[in-house]
Amino acid sequence: IQMTQSPSALSASVGDRVIITCRASESISTWLAWYQQKPGKAPKLLIYKASSLESGVPSRFSGSGSGTEFTLTISSLQPDDFATYYCQQYNSFSTFGQGTKVEIK
Amino acid sequence: QVQLQESGPGLVKPSETLSLSCTVSGGAIDTFSWTWIRQPPGKGLEWIGYFYYSGSILYNPSLRSRVAISRDTSKNQSSLKVASVTTADTAVYYCARGGGLDALDIWGQGTMVAVSS
Repeated sequence: IQMTQSPSALSASVGDRVIITCRASESISTWLAWYQQKPGKAPKLLIYKASSLESGVPSRFSGSGSGTEFTLTISSLQPDDFATYYCQQYNSFSTFGQGTKVEIK
Repeated sequence: QVQLQESGPGLVKPSETLSLSCTVSGGAIDTFSWTWIRQPPGKGLEWIGYFYYSGSILYNPSLRSRVAISRDTSKNQSSLKVASVTTADTAVYYCARGGGLDALDIWGQGTMVAVSS
């Protein structure tokens, strides 16, 4: 299963609403996770099962979607949110998207 | 709380076998599934495979012929071997808790492995 994220990179300001999209090449139900990775660090789980917020993750992060179309929304971008975000399907084997780098505008 | 620590040689010669360990502290390894992921320098994440808590193993089809994941409950470790390495296997290797229909909720810090003569 191929996972395609868009955009590959974006520039945004603190306080902006940010939406990242992930498309699967076939239906994965809701077996999708979102991770945040900062330079030199391991990825951190944000969202699992498409829309469930991992414990300790700020509520400005939310996920939605099912089947082949998914979104990660950051409702009000904070300075700590500048990072690269990856989606991962775990319905059949597992595959990561290519990543979306969120940069400061 | 559960913590993971990868370990292994930082440099491997082409055509040799890369061997890494992931030591789990704060929990029993046989109660969860454990996944290996790698990330080439400046690139994205690649799923390598997982050792399911029940004992079954699943590999990335593109790597299946060269990789082996195992579990040692006496040492509370998961291990990864990648045979016949090339420079394309140069990457940061991570272990993480989760696999199957579980997302990866705890990650090790990662260990960099360079393949070079």
